[in-house]
Amino acid sequence: DAGVIQSPRHEVTEMGQEVTLRCKPISGHNSLFWYRQTMMRGLELLIYFNNNVPIDDSGMPEDRFSAKMPNASFSTLKIQPSEPRDSAVYFCASSRDRGLIKEFFGPGTRLTVL
Amino acid sequence: AQKVTQAQTEISVVEKEDVTLDCVYETRDTTYYLFWYKQPPSGELVFLIRRNSFDEQNEISGRYSWNFQKSTSSFNFTITASQVVDSAVYFCALSDTSGNTPLVFGKGTRLSVIA
Repeated sequence: DAGVIQSPRHEVTEMGQEVTLRCKPISGHNSLFWYRQTMMRGLELLIYFNNNVPIDDSGMPEDRFSAKMPNASFSTLKIQPSEPRDSAVYFCASSRDRGLIKEFFGPGTRLTVL
Repeated sequence: AQKVTQAQTEISVVEKEDVTLDCVYETRDTTYYLFWYKQPPSGELVFLIRRNSFDEQNEISGRYSWNFQKSTSSFNFTITASQVVDSAVYFCALSDTSGNTPLVFGKGTRLSVIA
């Protein structure tokens, strides 16, 4: 079975540029989570969706961040404009309610904003 | 609110030593799940265990064992006879039992096993 797929795996961009991170959850999973990992703050939840609907976006740092889930098999996290402090590893995870009750994590996208 | 505390930021042991990673949690839920994840230097998050709050039996898997004590809100992880390949950051996490809410992670403990 394919796990959670994230692209790109690495992204280097310049301050002010738009960045789009992509995630394909595991087929049949109906919850999708975006986490960010930094040295200072550890693993923090940015936003999560249930059945393609955003449930809690209180972790999104500011208006520069936006996330969408247009269908059950695809989600994007966009940063516009990007700033150096956005440099982090961004993980996508998916799960199925009342299923295995664990989150399957993607490999992460390492973002560097110069 | 849910909270997970991993007080040990970094631990260094010599190969073959036993090591215990501490995890203390806070939750108002009567049922919940506790997790441990491993993050090796390659960066991916590897699931190790999920424990239901109503099951307080200790669990052993090879060199790994977990001690869940509801009375002290702790879910500690012990590696017996540590190996260099165990070097990683280990995260403890907590969630409710619905399966569709996020995990709350501790800050992680960086374990270095020295040959």
